[in-house]
Amino acid sequence: EAGVVQSPRYKIIEKKQPVAFWCNPISGHNTLYWYLQNLGQGPELLIRYENEEAVDDSQLPKDRFSAERLKGVDSTLKIQPAELGDSAVYLCASSPRTSEGDTQYFGPGTRLTVL
Amino acid sequence: SQKIEQNSEALNIQEGKTATLTCNYTNYSPAYLQWYRQDPGRGPVFLLLIRENEKEKRKERLKVTFDTTLKQSLFHITASQPADSATYLCALDLGGSNYKLTFGKGTLLTVNP
Repeated sequence: EAGVVQSPRYKIIEKKQPVAFWCNPISGHNTLYWYLQNLGQGPELLIRYENEEAVDDSQLPKDRFSAERLKGVDSTLKIQPAELGDSAVYLCASSPRTSEGDTQYFGPGTRLTVL
Repeated sequence: SQKIEQNSEALNIQEGKTATLTCNYTNYSPAYLQWYRQDPGRGPVFLLLIRENEKEKRKERLKVTFDTTLKQSLFHITASQPADSATYLCALDLGGSNYKLTFGKGTLLTVNP
């Protein structure tokens, strides 16, 4: 079974430029998450999708961040314009959503550097 | 305010010893508590889940305890090996329809040969 796929793995941009990250979850997982992880910190949730619906986007900075999950499979997270403080690792995760807790499967992440 | 604390940022132990990592929380009532392992440049990998009504759970050399009175979970790796060196994250899961994990900062474990 293929894991969660993310691309690109690394991205370097100048501030004020736009950037987009792509995620393909594990097949059959209806729940998809985007997290931000700063160095030395745990992942922090940005947005959660159930199929194509964003059911929790309370932590997403909506002035510059946007996300979509068309057709309830792949997802894209966008930042426009990027700021220096956006430098971090952006993780995508998916979950089969069982009754036995919310075990999540993470992709390798995209490391963003904003210069 | 809600808080999750993992006992230390870094823990160094000798190969063969038991590593014990601590996760404390305040102002949460988690239905589950999960532990993940994260290697450099990779995403977290699920290790163990323990329910609020379970005291202990084991998987091979791993053991997790969960004390809802103390609001604490302990994560043990017995007979530790250098390959166990990684960052270990605890995560609280409130359960129900609120499918959301809240992660601690993690503890970097180094097992010296």
